[in-house]
Formats: sequence, C-alpha cells, structure tokens
Amino acid sequence: DIVMTQSPDSLAVSLGERATINCKSSQSVLYSSNNKNYLAWYQQKPGQPPKLLIYWASARESGVPDRFSGSGSGTDFTLTISSLQAEDVAVYYCHQYYSTPQTFGQGTTVEIK
Amino acid sequence: QVQLVQSGAEVMKPGASVKVSCKASGYTFTSYTMHWVRQAPGQRLEWMGWINAGNGDTKYSQKFQGRVTITRDTSASTAYMELSSLRSEDTAVYYCAKGAGYSGYDPVDYWGQGTPVTVSS
Repeated sequence: DIVMTQSPDSLAVSLGERATINCKSSQSVLYSSNNKNYLAWYQQKPGQPPKLLIYWASARESGVPDRFSGSGSGTDFTLTISSLQAEDVAVYYCHQYYSTPQTFGQGTTVEIK
Repeated sequence: QVQLVQSGAEVMKPGASVKVSCKASGYTFTSYTMHWVRQAPGQRLEWMGWINAGNGDTKYSQKFQGRVTITRDTSASTAYMELSSLRSEDTAVYYCAKGAGYSGYDPVDYWGQGTPVTVSS
C-alpha cells in the first residue's frame, strides 16, 4: 500500500498569511504514460464530508478560490493557501488514486493564530 | 446539481451485517464510478472500494475483501455498500463518493452526507 504522510499535523496561521501543507507518498504517484500525478487534496470542516479542492496535483476544482494551489510531483506535494481566511479553518487531506487501495494522509488541521 | 443522499444512521450488533444506500441525482449515474470511504472517530479517511456504475465492475481494498460488497441499481441510480461480520472497529461514518471518471483511477469529486454506523453489543 502507498503510505501518505502529511506535515505538519496542525498549524496556526494569522489571517491573511500563507499556510503550507506537505504530503509525501511512500512511492511515486506519477504515471509516466500520461505524465499525471494521481494526487488530490480535500478540505473537511466539522460535521461535513470532504470537499475536493485540487486534483492531478495542481488542477483547481471549479468554484474553489484561487488562494488554494497545489504543486509537486512524484512523491512530494504541497497545498498552499496564499492568504488564509476565517472560513479556511478545517482539516486538509491528501489522497492518492494511483493504485489500489487508494489511501489518504492523516490530515492537517489548520487554525487561526 | 450533483447530489448523493445516503441512508440514515445504523446501530448494529457485532457479527451482523449493515447495508448503506446512496441515491445519486444531477448526473448520468452509469457514466461514473462510485466509491465508498469510511472515517472512524479521530482516524484518517479509509478507502473501501468502488463500483463502475455502468458495467458493475468492482474493486475492493484487500483489507475488506470478503466482508464488503458494493452493488448498484441503475434503474434507481442508487449504489449500496454492505459490510458483514461487523466488529466494534467498524464503528465509523461511511461515505459514498462519486468518482470523477469511469476508470476508478480518478479523484472523487462529490460526497454523500455520510452514514454513521455504530457497532455495539
């Protein structure tokens, strides 16, 4: 199984400041035949299901604010919130859909400092 | 708009089976996969398997092989997840989630509201 490890487990950021979450996979999720990274990011608020933010490592889902961006390739990925807003307080998960079983990171809790 | 509406909360005895439904609307049900993901209290999301709603092909996590069955009723645009031989560790919120494609190797782009399942004697 591909193990997804996020860092940090939690972070507190001031409103308007940048938040950066890292995700490392135990093996590459880059499929060479199409040059796509099979990596997504989700946001989950308390009592709600996850919401897709980023897919193929860097493609932003329709309707997601452009302060959210994804980067990285192979085994190392980053989710960046460029200017944290109060409504961004949530748990963020990375997800690999490259191989079965699909796996998720342990989550990173983002709070306001 | 895409909606996935799941059945209600369940309380089950150890050893029993539970079947959760997920009614889809707002898109062509048979053109996408449907995944099942669970979240135990304080734990990370855990992928259980998917079904190709068009041809009925399934893929399961080895962890649940033999205990989980995912089916669908195309006439009702509804997917089902049945988990058998329940134990206390199966206490979790169970989500259905629509795959963004047909292959099963796509992100999930819409989620149901979740169905809490409690296993307790």
